[in-house]
Amino acid sequence: KNQVEQSPQSLIILEGKNCTLQCNYTVSPFSNLRWYKQDTGRGPVSLTIMTFSENTKSNGRYTATLDADTKQSSLHITASQLSDSASYICVVSDRGSTLGRLYFGRGTQLTVWP
Amino acid sequence: EADIYQTPRYLVIGTGKKITLECSQTMGHDKMYWYQQDPGMELHLIHYSYGVNSTEKGDLSSESTVSRIRTEHFPLTLESARPSHTSQYLCASSPTAREKRETQYFGPGTRLLVL
Repeated sequence: KNQVEQSPQSLIILEGKNCTLQCNYTVSPFSNLRWYKQDTGRGPVSLTIMTFSENTKSNGRYTATLDADTKQSSLHITASQLSDSASYICVVSDRGSTLGRLYFGRGTQLTVWP
Repeated sequence: EADIYQTPRYLVIGTGKKITLECSQTMGHDKMYWYQQDPGMELHLIHYSYGVNSTEKGDLSSESTVSRIRTEHFPLTLESARPSHTSQYLCASSPTAREKRETQYFGPGTRLLVL
């Protein structure tokens, strides 16, 4: 069964600190992996997207890594800011259908305290 | 910021009422989607469309229906709302994929509460 598991479920850090969020998946055949940021009451916004051949991708203070062999990804946030408080969702796409089926994790709820 | 809009943002309605959640995008995207998301849970695809006059049911069974008469418009309708329909509904769109990097752009969502 294709699944996406994220950890931790929630995380609280102090402003200025770094943190790393984890994503494990069993989706096959794999097409790409995305990290989305979802602010409370808003729709998800794409942060990074990686295909099978990409190991790392950065977007400002966000750096995503992908190990396609172990089917693991991480999202590292550097020098956290209060505005980073949100849910971070890992989304994996398969290439087994024309639709490009997306599998969503439940997200990691990050809270940044001043 | 993606040009995809949803109205209303919040809706409180009584059981048995008919409701339509609006979704429109100005990016000319062919593919559009409706997701249902409960608090702390993953998004579940309930409907999608490849283009005008194309609608398909998603993975999660839903009593809602959709239509796609115009490219930019993808409304979702519940003929008779029930408390079990209480949830957040997210609309998304994506361009026709010529490569595998297509990204879905999400609207702000509609939070529905059925009493």
